[in-house]
Amino acid sequence: DIQMTQSPSSLSASVGDRVTITCRASQSISSYLNWYQQKPGKAPKLLVYGAFSLQSGVPSRFSGSGSGSDFTLTISSLQPEDFATYYCQQSYSTLYTFGQGTKLDIK
Amino acid sequence: EVQLLESGGGLVQPGGSLRLSCAASGFTFSSYGMSWVRQAPGKGLEWVSAIRGSGGSTYYADSVKGRFTISRDSSKNTLYLQINSLRAEDTAVYYCAKDSRDSSSYYFDHWGQGTLVTVSS
Repeated sequence: DIQMTQSPSSLSASVGDRVTITCRASQSISSYLNWYQQKPGKAPKLLVYGAFSLQSGVPSRFSGSGSGSDFTLTISSLQPEDFATYYCQQSYSTLYTFGQGTKLDIK
Repeated sequence: EVQLLESGGGLVQPGGSLRLSCAASGFTFSSYGMSWVRQAPGKGLEWVSAIRGSGGSTYYADSVKGRFTISRDSSKNTLYLQINSLRAEDTAVYYCAKDSRDSSSYYFDHWGQGTLVTVSS
């Protein structure tokens, strides 16, 4: 199975900060990498698919980049509603796997 | 509007069984693959199983293979997950998710609200 490793596991930041979350795959997955946001008690929400394509309705402060085995999710200017947990997910293999998550909280 | 509504969760004893359902609406159900994803209390997301739109191909995480069975009924627009030989580590919220795809990616673009399965004596 393809293993996905996110870093950091947790992150404290302030409103207005630029934040980057990294995801590394255990093998090359081309651009088959998605990012989700999850708030407590809620279902995950798709943010970015195909490594860099922004899902409809997602603010442009979110962006994704990378290919092969290294990927990043960047939030250009944190807003209060962005404090949540973020997960990467590979879809290169149908045995889909998620990263362990990055919890973003307020500094 | 796409809607996914899970049901069937509850408290079950170790070794027991449950069947989860996910009622889908707002899209052509038979045209899309579907998946189940679970989340243990305070833990991350774990993909569990997937099924193609046709229902012809199914996939399972190693942790559930041989105990879980995914299926679908396009006449009822409903996805199922039969879970047998339940263990304490199967305690989780189970989400159904709609697969979507474009030329270069596959992704879960819609999720249900989840149903809680608790395995305890």
